[in-house]
Amino acid sequence: GAGVSQSPSNKVTEKGKDVELRCDPISGHTALYWYRQSLGQGLEFLIYFQGNSAPDKSGLPSDRFSAERTGGSVSTLTIQRTQQEDSAVYLCASSAPTGTSADTQYFGPGTRLTVL
Amino acid sequence: GQSLEQPSEVTAVEGAIVQINCTYQTSGFYGLSWYQQHDGGAPTFLSYNALDGLEETGRFSSFLSRSDSYGYLLLQELQMKDSASYFCAVRDGGSQGNLIFGKGTKLSVKP
Repeated sequence: GAGVSQSPSNKVTEKGKDVELRCDPISGHTALYWYRQSLGQGLEFLIYFQGNSAPDKSGLPSDRFSAERTGGSVSTLTIQRTQQEDSAVYLCASSAPTGTSADTQYFGPGTRLTVL
Repeated sequence: GQSLEQPSEVTAVEGAIVQINCTYQTSGFYGLSWYQQHDGGAPTFLSYNALDGLEETGRFSSFLSRSDSYGYLLLQELQMKDSASYFCAVRDGGSQGNLIFGKGTKLSVKP
């Protein structure tokens, strides 16, 4: 079946503009995660959705970042008033609902964001 | 806090065996995972250890010692295509959902 998809694949924006990044998880996966990866670095957790529960927003770096997940499927990560330090690859992942398989996260190809 | 330590770079030759170590500090432990990421690509799941011991999947094996807060990924019969970054990860003890990743080990396989 289809994997996790993300759009756009690349986004170049000017400092101060808002951007929206989209993630379509694997069908049936109730958990959805957003991570950020700067060049040559590890993955930094941003936000986690699990079913209908309130999202875990503990990784969001500032109040300029927000995310929503509509209908328990598609998610949008919004960055307002972008700054140059927001430049990174934004990765979305989804995972199955129960058991140890929940540790298997399936990643999308990412959105490379460049803020000029 | 929670953290994972792994070497930043490892170099090996084709056909050789390489071991990538990972030590972790967590509040609550729910297993150690390994992910592979090629340059410009997305991380892909390799293995998961919840209990002590060795898990083998083809040329790749992963080991865990919970008493030592330590694990490793063993890659055998190295191939050029194994050149990638390898990340160890643990589940966040607080949320029990998202993963906390190490900074990654860049493996370069030479001919």
